[in-house]
Amino acid sequence: EVRLEQSRPEVKKPGESLVISCEGSGYSFNDYWVGWVRQMPGKGVEWMAMIHPRDSNIKYSPTFQGQVIISADTSRSTAYLQWRSLKASDTAIYYCASDVPAGLLWGPGTLVTVSS
Amino acid sequence: NFVLTQPPSVSESPGKTVTITCTGSGGSIASNYVQWFQQRPGSAPTTIVFDDDHRASEVPDRFSGSRDSSSNSASLTISGLQPEDEADYFCHSYEDGHWVFGGGTKLTVL
Repeated sequence: EVRLEQSRPEVKKPGESLVISCEGSGYSFNDYWVGWVRQMPGKGVEWMAMIHPRDSNIKYSPTFQGQVIISADTSRSTAYLQWRSLKASDTAIYYCASDVPAGLLWGPGTLVTVSS
Repeated sequence: NFVLTQPPSVSESPGKTVTITCTGSGGSIASNYVQWFQQRPGSAPTTIVFDDDHRASEVPDRFSGSRDSSSNSASLTISGLQPEDEADYFCHSYEDGHWVFGGGTKLTVL
């Protein structure tokens, strides 16, 4: 089965760091761009960053440049999104998506809650 | 900056046909393919149309996509509306390899 699996929900305090993950299976994960998308409560989706696992080419949305770090591990067919210092405004669902030939293959999402 | 604009909401009765538009500005929608996604409440998005007018696997043929370069827009048409079509729909394309998403349209099936 072709799928993306994401890490479990997280509850963090402001200022804490966090890494969430996205593992692909059932297809050549490393050969397609993988992006991260934010969806804040009750809002639409926003593209944050993308990486091509095979050559580590990276693109960031200007909105999120400097706020997050994207990376990938080809040996694990996994992409990561990292925050060094979370803010309450980072509370959202984060989806990963793989840009495969038949559109975007979406992960189930990771809910990140940042609250003191 | 390339921006994709959608109406915030549309509504129609069961059995009818509805069209959701996605209008490009700050660039040409003809430059890259357009995708459409469906997101039901509490669920992740799923692809329903890719490369302008190709239905994803297992998507009913009631769903169709098109692109009109003259109006710099793309459209998603859903015919024979069913209650389970009630969801958020959003479009997607590219600018210089970056992903661009429309703001989303909430479809209500009355």
